[in-house]
Amino acid sequence: QKEVEQNSGPLSVPEGAIASLNCTYSDRGSQSFFWYRQYSGKSPELIMSIYSNGDKEDGRFTAQLNKASQYVSLLIRDSQPSDSATYLCASGYSTLTFGKGTMLLVSP
Amino acid sequence: GAVVSQHPSRVICKSGTSVKIECRSLDFQATTMFWYRQFPKQSLMLMATSNEGSKATYEQGVEKDKFLINHASLTLSTLTVTSAHPEDSSFYICSALGPGPYNEQFFGPGTRLTVL
Repeated sequence: QKEVEQNSGPLSVPEGAIASLNCTYSDRGSQSFFWYRQYSGKSPELIMSIYSNGDKEDGRFTAQLNKASQYVSLLIRDSQPSDSATYLCASGYSTLTFGKGTMLLVSP
Repeated sequence: GAVVSQHPSRVICKSGTSVKIECRSLDFQATTMFWYRQFPKQSLMLMATSNEGSKATYEQGVEKDKFLINHASLTLSTLTVTSAHPEDSSFYICSALGPGPYNEQFFGPGTRLTVL
């Protein structure tokens, strides 16, 4: 069974700090990895995708992928209160398996 | 780009009635769309994969006669919840496979269904 594991949190960080979110996946055949942000009562919004080992940066966000360890992470620099949300990790290719999400709380 | 709309955003219906939810890709053609369900404080659960012009592929445990999916055009997929019951109350979200090469899924805003 394909699984994606995330710590449910909440992860609390002060404004301006770096938030680090982690995820492990079980399916070694997964080729694509995604981070979605979901505000309470809203649908997920794609914020990062990564397909190759290493780091990928986009603005304040950096995704890291280690296929050997089956590990994906998301770093958010200069965290803002507006970043407070649940972050969903997903892996797969034609279909995605989602983790249960990590709640991030950024305090002013 | 890659905008997906969903209608209605919220629906309340009586037990035993049927409800249709529409999912549209607004600025791209989506040969593949997905339907998810999310219960409070739980993750997204894939219900089915919808391919334009062919029958949907349902995940194990999802009743295809209860959740009817039609993907008649490259921009529209519909989910009909037939004979809805209170246990079908949930947040239903569609997504569409984006136009790029990396199989990114873009989500609609979701439909909150409440069955009385």
